[in-house]
Amino acid sequence: GDSVTQMEGPVTLSEEAFLTINCTYTATGYPSLFWYVQYPGEGLQLLLKATKADDKGSNKGFEATYRKETTSFHLEKGSVQVSDSAVYFCALHLSGAGSYQLTFGKGTKLSVIP
Amino acid sequence: GAGVSQSPSNKVTEKGKDVELRCDPISGHTALYWYRQSLGQGLEFLIYFQGNSAPDKSGLPSDRFSAERTGGSVSTLTIQRTQQEDSAVYLCASSLGLAGVDEQYFGPGTRLTVT
Repeated sequence: GDSVTQMEGPVTLSEEAFLTINCTYTATGYPSLFWYVQYPGEGLQLLLKATKADDKGSNKGFEATYRKETTSFHLEKGSVQVSDSAVYFCALHLSGAGSYQLTFGKGTKLSVIP
Repeated sequence: GAGVSQSPSNKVTEKGKDVELRCDPISGHTALYWYRQSLGQGLEFLIYFQGNSAPDKSGLPSDRFSAERTGGSVSTLTIQRTQQEDSAVYLCASSLGLAGVDEQYFGPGTRLTVT
């Protein structure tokens, strides 16, 4: 079945450090890929998305590129801030008849310290 | 505008009791989803409603779980005879119900603790 694997956390970084959270997927078709973020005490929010190979999603300084050849969608940010502390979820969605739910990875908790 | 809301935000119940969790989707969203987030696990799909179509219940873990959606809007997830393994955060999401990529908007969740 379809699945998403992301690096296990927690990840602790100092402010202004470079962030990479790895995400790889297995899917029977050509999925759309997403990163969701869950700030403490809040619901999941869509951070960025990419719908086809080589697309780059970006938002709030975060980027991820859809790599079909490596079935990956790694999340990156050049300089993290304390306010980026949250849990990050990689997810996929397969379009098609009867296919609507998101398949999520287990989440990676990021803590950014001043 | 208002986002997806869920109530209660926290629920503590004794093993064997029934619980009801409520979700108010974004106005105009025809699709509604329930997910479960357990400690150390990702988000697990439970059930999906789309308009007046029969819901997809394929993700419900047992027959103790049921959900309904009244009038195409508010949804209630019911767990009967709760067990400790039901302890989790239950998330509701809604979307426009579009074909293809259909962005889901999530509520803050209900944290259920079964003692």
